[in-house]
Amino acid sequence: QSALTQPASVSGSPGQSITISCTGTSSDVGAHNYVSWYQQHTGKAPKVVIYDVTYRPSGVSNRFSGSRSGNTASLTISGLQAEDEADYYCCSYTTSSTYVFGSGTKVTVL
Amino acid sequence: QLVESGGGLVKTGESLRLSCEASGFAFNKFTMIWVRQAPGKGLEWVSSISSGSTYMYYADSLRGRFTVSRDNAKSVMFLEMHSLRAEDTAIYFCARRLLSDYGVITRGFDPWGQGTLVTVSS
Repeated sequence: QSALTQPASVSGSPGQSITISCTGTSSDVGAHNYVSWYQQHTGKAPKVVIYDVTYRPSGVSNRFSGSRSGNTASLTISGLQAEDEADYYCCSYTTSSTYVFGSGTKVTVL
Repeated sequence: QLVESGGGLVKTGESLRLSCEASGFAFNKFTMIWVRQAPGKGLEWVSSISSGSTYMYYADSLRGRFTVSRDNAKSVMFLEMHSLRAEDTAIYFCARRLLSDYGVITRGFDPWGQGTLVTVSS
């Protein structure tokens, strides 16, 4: 159950778009349409921004979108805003009926 | 709403039981999970328990030291932790599978509790 691989940090200027990748294997990311993404501000509980690869929960900005190609899932944040500065984690259901999180990505708004 | 409790400072080798009290939804219909976060580190899935306690899963790293359970009558989930080690020091969060706008129970997780801190020290 190795953590999914994410870049340690991604940055962008306000208004720009950024993409965070999440690479796993055919036993997790590539096996199901069950990848979710979480935003975590410092000292707070995680908050889901994308579930089941592409779906956005109600109340989450449409600036957040998700996709997947093979064993790599991606989260794109468009129109970057200061409030988007946080840590982001992907999470995948696995073929063993367990879950695995990504290593986490710190998003910085320049 | 989810509220964790039971965290605290324990010594290496001791045991601890965490609770996650749920309110505001039909607790008995949802799979629940435990996730932990060591200081300054990322999220780590710990355990899952199905709605009726039929299925329980654990992270390989726990090697049988942790046991998850639930009491649907009281809307509470538990995590029994034994033979605690320094590396178990973390904030422990509980979370529920997300109910979509279409009434489907998805494999995302929301809501989350605020977490309870477990510190293991020698």
